[in-house]
Amino acid sequence: DVKVTQSSRYLVKRTGEKVFLECVQDMDHENMFWYRQDPGLGLRLIYFSYDVKMKEKGDIPEGYSVSREKKERFSLILESASTNQTSMYLCASGRGGLPNQPQHFGDGTRLSIL
Amino acid sequence: ELKVEQNPLFLSMQEGKNYTIYCNYSTTSDRLYWYRQDPGKSLESLFVLLSNGAVKQEGRLMASLDTKARLSTLHITAAVHDLSATYFCAVDNNNDMRFGAGTRLTVKP
Repeated sequence: DVKVTQSSRYLVKRTGEKVFLECVQDMDHENMFWYRQDPGLGLRLIYFSYDVKMKEKGDIPEGYSVSREKKERFSLILESASTNQTSMYLCASGRGGLPNQPQHFGDGTRLSIL
Repeated sequence: ELKVEQNPLFLSMQEGKNYTIYCNYSTTSDRLYWYRQDPGKSLESLFVLLSNGAVKQEGRLMASLDTKARLSTLHITAAVHDLSATYFCAVDNNNDMRFGAGTRLTVKP
């Protein structure tokens, strides 16, 4: 089974802090994704990456950056956390070039910015 | 820009009844996914639809895709309580996945 592991289930940080959310997948997937999930808005794509050191902006990249130095790890960075970034963050991975494969999701990180 | 709209957003059903959830999207795509999310859990893949006219069935759930109408449906037959969850559709536009807002389904005895 594919395993997508997010480093924290719950995280509380203060406004202005730099926050790192880590995601690791164990299936050698090319594609990795970061979403935030908010009530009534579904999942919104922040960034995705289709290869090491490659990144693409999603719907809502403002206030975020990402890093993919190794194929298995995709990090989401909140440069200066703000209260409107309080949300559930979901990481996902998927096989590149094979459209019949769905994404596999981690358990999510519930981030609160105080 | 790809937009994905689901309706209804909330659905309360009696056990044994049938209902359909709709997923409309705004640009050409032939890759559509349905996911289920239980409270406090992550998303679980249900169906992958890759061509016009594709139909997939698993138990009491059946999903279909009409790429010309840019519409997918998730049909629930004879609902049972275990189907209570939030259901998301997602459309793949060259690896840029866009999700609908989700349909929160509650099945009541």
